[in-house]
Amino acid sequence: AQSVAQPEDQVNVAEGNPLTVKCTYSVSGNPYLFWYVQYPNRGLQFLLKYITGDNLVKGSYGFEAEFNKSQTSFHLKKPSALVSDSALYFCAVRDLRRSGSARQLTFGSGTQLTVLP
Amino acid sequence: DAMVIQNPRYQVTQFGKPVTLSCSQTLNHNVMYWYQQKSSQAPKLLFHYYDKDFNNEADTPDNFQSRRPNTSFCFLDIRSPGLGDAAMYLCATSREGPGEQYFGPGTRLTVT
Repeated sequence: AQSVAQPEDQVNVAEGNPLTVKCTYSVSGNPYLFWYVQYPNRGLQFLLKYITGDNLVKGSYGFEAEFNKSQTSFHLKKPSALVSDSALYFCAVRDLRRSGSARQLTFGSGTQLTVLP
Repeated sequence: DAMVIQNPRYQVTQFGKPVTLSCSQTLNHNVMYWYQQKSSQAPKLLFHYYDKDFNNEADTPDNFQSRRPNTSFCFLDIRSPGLGDAAMYLCATSREGPGEQYFGPGTRLTVT
């Protein structure tokens, strides 16, 4: 079965410093990988995705992620963090080779990012 | 702007009193999803529609039902809410295929 691991429940970083939120995945086929952000009492907002092509994916609000097939990772990064980036971040994977409900998004457990002023 | 709309944003219901949450979309996506999310945990898929084709997750309680009368609207019915059903309910849409899902703002359900 496909799975996603976000090993850090909480990441703290100072404003202006680079940030990394880690994600590793496990699928049997080719992964479709996504990052979403959630602010308090709001729905999830799509940040970026990897479907195929260039391993470095650029997304919204200055975020980027690097797909690393050998390490089965898809870490989210930003060169310079803002206080407004503080939110809950979810990594997710789909495997369209699966059938039925298994084709749907599998989310990681989430990482709370806090950017300190 | 094209979007996913959920009403109401906050819903309070009594234990055992049926409640309906609604979702509408202007994206003309053929796939719609309902998720349950508890206290900053990962969203849990309850069911989804490919057009009118309903797909229930194996562990979704019978207490949860859904209707999709047309492409734009989808409803979540909780027939007899229990205290454990208090959660954020998220609606999402997508095109069929590998692309991203678009989420609504959610409805926070409180059961008293």
